[in-house]
Amino acid sequence: RKEVEQDPGPFNVPEGATVAFNCTYSNSASQSFFWYRQDCRKEPKLLMSVYSSGNEDGRFTAQLNRASQYISLLIRDSKLSDSATYLCVVNLADSSYKLIFGSGTRLLVRP
Amino acid sequence: DAGVIQSPRHEVTEMGQEVTLRCKPISGHDYLFWYRQTMMRGLELLIYFNNNVPIDDSGMPEDRFSAKMPNASFSTLKIQPSEPRDSAVYFCASKRGGTDTQYFGPGTRLTVL
Repeated sequence: RKEVEQDPGPFNVPEGATVAFNCTYSNSASQSFFWYRQDCRKEPKLLMSVYSSGNEDGRFTAQLNRASQYISLLIRDSKLSDSATYLCVVNLADSSYKLIFGSGTRLLVRP
Repeated sequence: DAGVIQSPRHEVTEMGQEVTLRCKPISGHDYLFWYRQTMMRGLELLIYFNNNVPIDDSGMPEDRFSAKMPNASFSTLKIQPSEPRDSAVYFCASKRGGTDTQYFGPGTRLTVL
């Protein structure tokens, strides 16, 4: 079983749609969680951290469910510029700086 | 402020040749990471340094791979001899201690023929 699992997609949605991505992680002792965004042939960039209480940044909302070992990302009112691959990332508890990346979920937003 | 700088951006070489990838982290960042990304395996951590000292190299695939950080502003990842299965995008990332965010360089796209 992969340490971080994501649906690879692609999710193909019209502009303005709401889309949700899910991610599960296997290490119950994981401490920190993130969503990174990666555009085609570019480097990954931090989109947002994920906190236990859930957090929102504009059109983006991230949620964490520790009991189910489940992380989600909700994008509201999607824009063409949201088209990218979204990587779920977990910080292993045994090493503060070792990030484990999911394989990513690809989002295509069409006009 | 300049981001993480990597060179070369593209490298095409033949099997058996030595390949050296270079990275300059963001000034003031004391952690440096080397990753490899392939379609099959996704993004994998190869090695990371703290204050120029290698901390965890458990992701380095085999002895053909080596990494050094002679000073705070420069690191290299060397593959000798290179093999076609080493073809991938290699990213360098850096961060400041006490923070979570890692900043990635633009990557080096390596093709081994």
